[in-house]
Amino acid sequence: AQSVTQLGSHVSVSEGALVLLRCNYSSSVPPYLFWYVQYPNQGLQLLLKYTTGATLVKGINGFEAEFKKSETSFHLTKPSAHMSDAAEYFCAASPTGGGNKLTFGTGTQLKVEL
Amino acid sequence: DAMVIQNPRYQVTQFGKPVTLSCSQTLNHNVMYWYQQKSSQAPKLLFHYYDKDFNNEADTPDNFQSRRPNTSFCFLDIRSPGLGDAAMYLCATSRGLEQETQYFGPGTRLLVL
Repeated sequence: AQSVTQLGSHVSVSEGALVLLRCNYSSSVPPYLFWYVQYPNQGLQLLLKYTTGATLVKGINGFEAEFKKSETSFHLTKPSAHMSDAAEYFCAASPTGGGNKLTFGTGTQLKVEL
Repeated sequence: DAMVIQNPRYQVTQFGKPVTLSCSQTLNHNVMYWYQQKSSQAPKLLFHYYDKDFNNEADTPDNFQSRRPNTSFCFLDIRSPGLGDAAMYLCATSRGLEQETQYFGPGTRLLVL
């Protein structure tokens, strides 16, 4: 069965610092991978996704993620944090070959401090 | 703007009193999903419709039902809400079932008294 692990339920960074949110997946076949952001009392918004092709994926708001098959990872980064980045971030995976069922990680709450 | 709309944003119901949550979409997507998200937890898929074809997750309680009368609308019915059903309910849509991005609505927060 597929699973997604996000290390660190809470991450705190200073404004302007690097953001690194970790995500590892567990499945025999590399899945499609997604990062979503959720602001308080709102739905989830897609930041970026990896399906095939280039392993470094660029998303909205300056975020990017790199798919590393050897490490079964899909970590999310942003070079310089902004106060508006404070939110909860979810990594998710869906199986290749159809179905589109998303399995989410437990989320990482990002706090950005002045 | 094309979007996924959920009404109401907040719903209060009584223990055991049936409640219906509504989702509509202007994206003309084939697939509509319902997720349950409890406080500080990841969203959990309850079921989805591909067009009129209903697909229930194996561990979704019988207490949860869904209807999709047309492409644009999908409803979540909770027949006898318990205290443990208090959660955010998220509706999402996608064009298809392969490599497709899911677009989420803002959610309905359900409170059970």
